[in-house]
Amino acid sequence: NAGVTQTPKFRILKIGQSMTLQCTQDMNHNYMYWYRQDPGMGLKLIYYSVGAGITDKGEVPNGYNVSRSTTEDFPLRLELAAPSQTSVYFCATQRGGGVYEQYFGPGTRLTVT
Amino acid sequence: QKEVEQNSGPLSVPEGAIASLNCTYSDRGSQSFFWYRQYSGKSPELIMFIYSNGDKEDGRFTAQLNKASQYVSLLIRDSQPSDSATYLCAVNIQNTDKLIFGTGTRLQVFP
Repeated sequence: NAGVTQTPKFRILKIGQSMTLQCTQDMNHNYMYWYRQDPGMGLKLIYYSVGAGITDKGEVPNGYNVSRSTTEDFPLRLELAAPSQTSVYFCATQRGGGVYEQYFGPGTRLTVT
Repeated sequence: QKEVEQNSGPLSVPEGAIASLNCTYSDRGSQSFFWYRQYSGKSPELIMFIYSNGDKEDGRFTAQLNKASQYVSLLIRDSQPSDSATYLCAVNIQNTDKLIFGTGTRLQVFP
């Protein structure tokens, strides 16, 4: 099992460009999450999903969009990239709600210049 | 605003010593508590989780939870240089499916 995979690993964007960060899991987990991590900071929740067709905002959703059409995939869309979106992005899955632990993908390092 | 607080460190301990990492949280209704280890440039990986007051041991790691004091800690016995990493404390937000993470404590174990 691959677990949680993310593509690309690295990306440099110019200001105003758009891109989609991909996240795929084969763990059959219903819950999926997108976080960003800035240097020396903790993880900030961007969006999350409790199942196909259901998404909700986290702490820092502005400038991002998500969709969840399948259990396996949870892409994160950046529209009109800004330097403030330079960060490392992690996707995570969770078996169910409440008390279960989260499993993280390897991350995507994004630079916007 | 729910918060999880950790000392950023670095916490420096000699090889073989006990490392003690601490975390406080603000949400009294939190029910689940997690410790993640994150090596530089890598993703967080789960070390321990604890739900009940008291101690939970797993190998060289012990998690301690005190809900009355809103305090959770991680003890690493016989610390090894390979334990050098940032340790993130995460706490669930009551009545949600979300975790809130602390900013992490950087641990350095020197030979």
